Amino acid sequence: EIVLTQSPATLSLSPGERATLSCRASQSVSRYLAWYQQKPGQAPRLLIYDASNRATGIPARFSGSGSGTDFTLTISSLEPEDFAVYYCQQRSNWPPITFGQGTRLEIK
Amino acid sequence: QVQLVQSGAEVKKPGASVKVSCKASAYTFTNYGISWVRQAPGQGLEWMGWISAYNGNTNYAQKLQGRVTMTTDTSTTTAYMELRSLRSDDTAVYYCARGIFPNAVAGPNYFDYWGQGTRVTVSS
Repeated sequence: EIVLTQSPATLSLSPGERATLSCRASQSVSRYLAWYQQKPGQAPRLLIYDASNRATGIPARFSGSGSGTDFTLTISSLEPEDFAVYYCQQRSNWPPITFGQGTRLEIK
Repeated sequence: QVQLVQSGAEVKKPGASVKVSCKASAYTFTNYGISWVRQAPGQGLEWMGWISAYNGNTNYAQKLQGRVTMTTDTSTTTAYMELRSLRSDDTAVYYCARGIFPNAVAGPNYFDYWGQGTRVTVSS
């Protein structure tokens, strides 16, 4: 099973700042990695798939990069609605599909 | 627009079974697979398994093998997830989610549309 480790667990930033979230895989997942945003009481929302492709309707301030075992989600300039929990997910080697444990992005 | 609408909250006793439905609309049901993902209170996301809406093929997470069954009804474009022998640690919100790629036989991939979630509480 591929383990995804996200860091940091919590990130405290202010609106307008740049956010950088990390996801590390226990073995290579090539570029088969996605990022999701989840707000309290809501289902997750797909942001990025195949490491760097924005999903439909996702603003350009969200970008993804990486390959192999190291991936990054960058939010270029934080908007108030971006404060949420973010998860990475791999589809390279299944079953099982696995998710990271999440990074909580909170307002500083 | 694409929608996945799930059945309502359930409260079950340990040892019982629960069956959650997921009604899909506004897309060709048999072109996509459906995965089920659960989230225990305050915890992260856990993939439970996948079903092809084209041919009914399934793939389950090993830890749930023998307790979970996923099915679809193409006549009503509805997916179902049944979990048996419920335990307290099965208490969670259960989501159905559609795979983003229109290939219903290639297995699970990424999830672009999600149901609203069904809260299942297991308590004596």
